[in-house]
Amino acid sequence: ETGVTQTPRHLVMGMTNKKSLKCEQHLGHNAMYWYKQSAKKPLELMFVYSLEERVENNSVPSRFSPECPNSSHLFLHLHTLQPEDSALYLCASSQDRTPAYEQYFGPGTRLTVT
Amino acid sequence: AQTVTQSQPEMSVQEAETVTLSCTYDTSESNYYLFWYKQPPSRQMILVIRQEAYKQQNATENRFSVNFQKAAKSFSLKISDSQLGDTAMYFCAFTPNYGGSQGNLIFGKGTKLSVKP
Repeated sequence: ETGVTQTPRHLVMGMTNKKSLKCEQHLGHNAMYWYKQSAKKPLELMFVYSLEERVENNSVPSRFSPECPNSSHLFLHLHTLQPEDSALYLCASSQDRTPAYEQYFGPGTRLTVT
Repeated sequence: AQTVTQSQPEMSVQEAETVTLSCTYDTSESNYYLFWYKQPPSRQMILVIRQEAYKQQNATENRFSVNFQKAAKSFSLKISDSQLGDTAMYFCAFTPNYGGSQGNLIFGKGTKLSVKP
């Protein structure tokens, strides 16, 4: 148990649905991240929040909308997704963005878009 | 743009033996960190070992050690006395240590390691 939890663990949604992924960290960290892990591709950094402020948006389509209401919670709101968005979505947190601090990962949400 | 390449999609090793996973990277930065992460079949990614580019001494963590060749931009992971619990995907990652991209991990595609009894 690394102190980072994600819900739900599995999600199947249609292309017209709206759903949200939730990440919670119990480590007192100030930085949180969303990654996308697709088969046969490297993990891709999607969003970075530092002290609840978005500091990175890696050219992610607008159908993915992050929200960080406080330093412990991170959401990824999904709408009108495409089948190619099916992937494992990983959340991570760290003390801050300094690389000397380890990023702790959650177990991920396996998303299937039908 | 920085890139990380892991040229071995899959590897296997007998229990108790030693295995080395390869990683090369490309960057024009001089100040950066390199990491090896492990993702067991249960999916939770955990940090195995990290190396700061300015440190010449290779990092070690128990049975895990790295061979960091800065000029060659190579960062291999050696696992000694392999155990069944080492079976996992292993990812090499890079991040600059300053600037706006500080802390943004860039990952390789991973190497699937199987430890056989």
